Amino acid sequence: DAMVIQNPRYQVTQFGKPVTLSCSQTLNHNVMYWYQQKSSQAPKLLFHYYDKDFNNEADTPDNFQSRRPNTSFCFLDIRSPGLGDAAMYLCAFGGGSGEKLFFGSGTQLSVL
Amino acid sequence: DQQVKQNSPSLSVQEGRISILNCDYTNSMFDYFLWYKKYPAEGPTFLISISSIKDKNEDGRFTVFLNKSAKHLSLHIVPSQPGDSAVYFCAAWGGADKLIFGTGTRLQVFP
Repeated sequence: DAMVIQNPRYQVTQFGKPVTLSCSQTLNHNVMYWYQQKSSQAPKLLFHYYDKDFNNEADTPDNFQSRRPNTSFCFLDIRSPGLGDAAMYLCAFGGGSGEKLFFGSGTQLSVL
Repeated sequence: DQQVKQNSPSLSVQEGRISILNCDYTNSMFDYFLWYKKYPAEGPTFLISISSIKDKNEDGRFTVFLNKSAKHLSLHIVPSQPGDSAVYFCAAWGGADKLIFGTGTRLQVFP
């Protein structure tokens, strides 16, 4: 059974049209991460939560927002997607530093 | 600056032989390292890890070696199988609960 679930698997949006990606877990882990991965590049950390404490990476564009209403669910909002935001978005949960992360299958975002 | 580097974007190995994937890091404060395997259109799955207090960790066909003085680690897969064909990411815990990834090495195992 999947422990980290991301929806949708594939998302197509238009340039400038807001989009929301979702992620949930059955693991009950406190720490949660959103990564962006473009082809042939390293996954890039956008945000992470330690429980409800939100940590934004310095180079994450303001266009990206996140919400974590409870331990199990988290959302990534892209307010005005640009062509450069087309990527795979990965969420992951874990126990914190030194622990392995459990990833979802990712959402592949296309921007037309 | 890329703190975790995988300088070989691809590797091709014959089935049954050893695959060696390499990873270098720049920050001597990194104390825990992980390898992830990723198939196309899927999320990364955890493979094996190593703490900086060790120099070797083994799990079945997979062994990770850590050379702290050289800031280098490697993943050995013996024997390699076609199902091992995937992208392999090296990652390091960089403090402040951040897991930092390398750019990945695409492994192809051919018959």
